[in-house]
Amino acid sequence: QKEVEQNSGPLSVPEGAIASLNCTYSDRGSQSFFWYRQYSGKSPELIMFIYSNGDKEDGRFTAQLNKASQYVSLLIRDSQPSDSATYLCAPESGYALNFGKGTSLLVTP
Amino acid sequence: GAVVSQHPSRVICKSGTSVKIECRSLDFQATTMFWYRQFPKQSLMLMATSNEGSKATYEQGVEKDKFLINHASLTLSTLTVTSAHPEDSSFYICSARSGTSGLGGTDTQYFGPGTRLTVL
Repeated sequence: QKEVEQNSGPLSVPEGAIASLNCTYSDRGSQSFFWYRQYSGKSPELIMFIYSNGDKEDGRFTAQLNKASQYVSLLIRDSQPSDSATYLCAPESGYALNFGKGTSLLVTP
Repeated sequence: GAVVSQHPSRVICKSGTSVKIECRSLDFQATTMFWYRQFPKQSLMLMATSNEGSKATYEQGVEKDKFLINHASLTLSTLTVTSAHPEDSSFYICSARSGTSGLGGTDTQYFGPGTRLTVL
């Protein structure tokens, strides 16, 4: 069983703060890790991916990967109310993605 | 780039009927497409992996005779829910895997907008 664990939340942060979303995974064979954002009633949209240990920045988003600890995280700087959504962590195994249940983020004005 | 469409976006049908959902990659060729199902407040569950020109690979517990998948071209995959029942009501989402669009060389899955199926 390829497990992906995320805190379901909701994680509440004030506007302008940093939101930190965490994810652990069980499949050591996973090489690439994707973060998707899903608004209620909509399909997931890709935020970014990471495949090397360390940090990767893309605008207000930073993904962090530690394969030894089987841990991946997503930081959102300067959080905006429009960032309120469910964030899905998805390690790739072969061609398939294993999705966690997601963390619900609420950014309050 | 990397746009995936799905049709229809919403369908309501009577129990026992069959429903076909189309998934198209609009601006790239996708040798691999995926079909997911998502129940309310649940995670996306992979149903099957579809490769162009070959039979789909179904996940454990997914009935291949009930969920028929055809991937006839590099831009089109279809999912047919045969003899649908109320328990099949769900949000069905396809994705297409791209190796050429955008993001620095790693193959990426792009999702269609989803099809909400309600079986009465």
